[in-house]
Amino acid sequence: GAGVSQTPSNKVTEKGKYVELRCDPISGHTALYWYRQSLGQGPEFLIYFQGTGAADDSGLPNDRFFAVRPEGSVSTLKIQRTERGDSAVYLCASSATGTGRGEQYFGPGTRLTVT
Amino acid sequence: QKEVEQDPGPLSVPEGAIVSLNCTYSNSAFQYFMWYRQYSRKGPELLMYTYSSGNKEDGRFTAQVDKSSKYISLFIRDSQPSDSATYLCAPKENMRFGAGTRLTVKP
Repeated sequence: GAGVSQTPSNKVTEKGKYVELRCDPISGHTALYWYRQSLGQGPEFLIYFQGTGAADDSGLPNDRFFAVRPEGSVSTLKIQRTERGDSAVYLCASSATGTGRGEQYFGPGTRLTVT
Repeated sequence: QKEVEQDPGPLSVPEGAIVSLNCTYSNSAFQYFMWYRQYSRKGPELLMYTYSSGNKEDGRFTAQVDKSSKYISLFIRDSQPSDSATYLCAPKENMRFGAGTRLTVKP
């Protein structure tokens, strides 16, 4: 079946603009995760959804970042007033019920560049 | 102090070599550890996971955990150019990744 998909694959925006990044998890996966990865670094955890609710949002760096998953499937990561430091690859992953936080399947990422 | 520390490398070995990739962790409550492989410009993919202490083998890959020293290792036997990638470790309990070690296997 289809894996995790993310759109757009690349996004270039100007400093101060608002962006939305979309994640389509594997069908039937109830857990969804967002990470941010800078060059030469491992993925940095942002937020974890179990169903529609955010089970752990401790990784969101500040209140410019917000994520939703209104129907327990597709998720959108929203970044307000973007800054150059937000430039990174944003990764989404999903996992099936009962497997805990491991065994995550990652999408290809959205490369965000803030100019 | 980060919960998981990993030497970012880069590590370069000839084809056929045995590769040792390592992580250290700080939280003794962690029981499960995951190894992911990430090719350039791709998302990470799960390689294997291991529970607590001991070894787990899967083909050319062996994962090892030493709880007494809080040390995690991934060994790759008969390394191939297709193994060239970044290897990431993370505790299953919180999925906070290390920085990743970039490996190049030269033909």
